[in-house]
Amino acid sequence: GNSVTQMEGPVTLSEEAFLTINCTYTATGYPSLFWYVQYPGEGLQLLLKATKADDKGSNKGFEATYRKETTSFHLEKGSVQVSDSAVYFCALSAIRAGNMLTFGGGTRLMVKP
Amino acid sequence: EAGVAQSPRYKIIEKRQSVAFWCNPISGHATLYWYQQILGQGPKLLIQFQNNGVVDDSQLPKDRFSAERLKGVDSTLKIQPAKLEDSAVYLCASSLVTSNEQYFGPGTRLTVT
Repeated sequence: GNSVTQMEGPVTLSEEAFLTINCTYTATGYPSLFWYVQYPGEGLQLLLKATKADDKGSNKGFEATYRKETTSFHLEKGSVQVSDSAVYFCALSAIRAGNMLTFGGGTRLMVKP
Repeated sequence: EAGVAQSPRYKIIEKRQSVAFWCNPISGHATLYWYQQILGQGPKLLIQFQNNGVVDDSQLPKDRFSAERLKGVDSTLKIQPAKLEDSAVYLCASSLVTSNEQYFGPGTRLTVT
C-alpha cells in the first residue's frame, strides 16, 4: 500500500535559518505529492503540491521538488520566520485510490526570534 | 468563497455515549472525506463520498462508526458507542471531482473520558 515517512520533530530553528524537512514515499504508479501546514488551533491548509516527476511546487517561500528516483519530496525554505511555526504534513494521493490522501506523521517546526 | 464548515468544534463525552459531527463542504464540491487525526499523528481516512455514494469506507470501524451524506451535500459522522481510543480530531475535507486538491475544515476535537 501507499505510505509516507517524514522526519520526526520537533525541529527548532532561529529566525532566518534554512529549513529542510525530509519526506519519502512508497506508492504504486505515479502519485501526486503535497505539503500541508497546520497552524495552532487551525485546520490543514494546502501549502504546495507537485503532480509529476521533477515538478517543483512553491508557495510563500517554501519549495519542494518531486524526485521519483529517490521517491522524495523534501520541503525547503531559505529563511524561516517566527510565523512559520506550525506542523507540516507530507502527503500523497493516487487516482487509483480515489485521490484519498495518505499522510506522514507530521513535523513540528518551532522558530525562535 | 466559504470554506468547509464543521460543528461542533469541541465535544467531551463519556465512554459508551454517542456523538455526531456535521460537515458542510464547499459549494459545488461533489467529493467529501472524513479523516481521523489522533494527537501526534497524521490524519487517516475514514470514509470518502462522491455525491451521496460511498467510494471508500474500508478504514471505517463499522461496528461503531457510521456516516451519511443523504442529499450529496452535508454529511454526518456518528460514533456509537464511543471508546477512549476515539479521542481525536475529526476532519472533514472536500474537493471537486476533477481535482486532487482537498480543502479541510477546522475539525472537531473529541475527548472521550
